[in-house]
Amino acid sequence: GQQVMQIPQYQHVQEGEDFTTYCNSSTTLSNIQWYKQRPGGHPVFLIQLVKSGEVKKQKRLTFQFGEAKKNSSLHITATQTTDVGTYFCAGSYNRKLIWGLGTSLAVNP
Amino acid sequence: ETGVTQSPTHLIKTRGQQVTLRCSSQSGHNTVSWYQQALGQGPQFIFQYYREEENGRGNFPPRFSGLQFPNYSSELNVNALELDDSALYLCASSSTDVSPLHFGNGTRLTVT
Repeated sequence: GQQVMQIPQYQHVQEGEDFTTYCNSSTTLSNIQWYKQRPGGHPVFLIQLVKSGEVKKQKRLTFQFGEAKKNSSLHITATQTTDVGTYFCAGSYNRKLIWGLGTSLAVNP
Repeated sequence: ETGVTQSPTHLIKTRGQQVTLRCSSQSGHNTVSWYQQALGQGPQFIFQYYREEENGRGNFPPRFSGLQFPNYSSELNVNALELDDSALYLCASSSTDVSPLHFGNGTRLTVT
């Protein structure tokens, strides 16, 4: 079946370092959504990308959608302790959302 | 604008019992999705309701069932509880079946 692979599974960084998580789909997606889940919390919607090659920024976060609409990335510049949590991508295919397994980010102060 | 609310927040049940979890969707949203999230795992899609009809189902057995009401609130029912059903159950509402999801705080279910 359709899958969205997300890597890495875990990332441990020093505060101030950059962080990137990648999602790769086996099929072309209609759109891709990114969510953040803080420890003990619920997923919170960050952004949706729809167009091929789209790049969106939210302060220190940069989101990209690949030209083939099969891959996406989330890059955080100069991480802060408030960035701690698990980042999930969810791709839309045949009007269904397919979730990646998430990347858990730990930040050392 | 009210967000997604779920009740109860925590629940402890015994194996074999039945449980009903409730969710009120965000105003203006007619689609509700339910997810199961085991500790340290990603959300697993259970099913989705759109205008009171089931509109997609994940790989969960029939003892997981649901309802959506005319006001778009929803219930998740689980019969014959098993120990592996212990998890965080998340409800999310959205304006369409593939629009961004707005999650509630979840119900933490423990089956002993």
